[in-house]
Amino acid sequence: EVQLVQSGAEVKKPGESLEISCKGSGYRFTSYWIAWVRQMPGRGLEWMGIIYPGDSDTRYSPSFQGQVTISADKSINTAYLQWTSLKASDTAIYFCARATYSSLDYWGQGTLVTVSS
Amino acid sequence: QSVLTQPPSVSAAPGQKVTISCSGSSSNIGKYFVSWYQQFPGTAPKLLIYDNNKRPSGIPDRFSGSKSGTSATLGITGLQTGDEADYYCGVWDSGLSDGVFGGGTKLTVL
Repeated sequence: EVQLVQSGAEVKKPGESLEISCKGSGYRFTSYWIAWVRQMPGRGLEWMGIIYPGDSDTRYSPSFQGQVTISADKSINTAYLQWTSLKASDTAIYFCARATYSSLDYWGQGTLVTVSS
Repeated sequence: QSVLTQPPSVSAAPGQKVTISCSGSSSNIGKYFVSWYQQFPGTAPKLLIYDNNKRPSGIPDRFSGSKSGTSATLGITGLQTGDEADYYCGVWDSGLSDGVFGGGTKLTVL
């Protein structure tokens, strides 16, 4: 069974750093892209970026380029989303999802990140 | 503003049919496959339709998808109260630098 299990909710202060994770199981982790998607409170889905764990090819949506870092450790089947200096506007639920050639077929449960002073 | 345009809301009575549109351009919908996602409050999105009109295993045939030119449509027949959710269209291709979503449509079953 394909599963993506994300790390737990985080509460951080502005300016702090953060890394959240997404662990895949039940499939060959290196053969599928992993996408990260943001959903701000009461808003829609936003594509942040995507990584191919097989060769670490990483692509960012222009809106998120330079704002976050996406990485993966294929030895432990885990993808990461990292911030070096959080802002209040980063408060959102972040989903990881497995990407086939044309769609996001399995999703993690989401990680709520709250940034507040 | 989302790259793909969806109506903010649609509604219909139980048992009826509803369609949700998704409008894009020649650089996204016009060139690549469209997928649709269903999201209930407080839960992760779920793939409903992929490759314009294919249903993953377990998705009932009440849900259908189509594409024409730079627009796509999700159809839901035999509406049930349990279909009340947010629906998103999306385009992603491994040849693209990134994917895009529509703004989402809230379905209300009256």
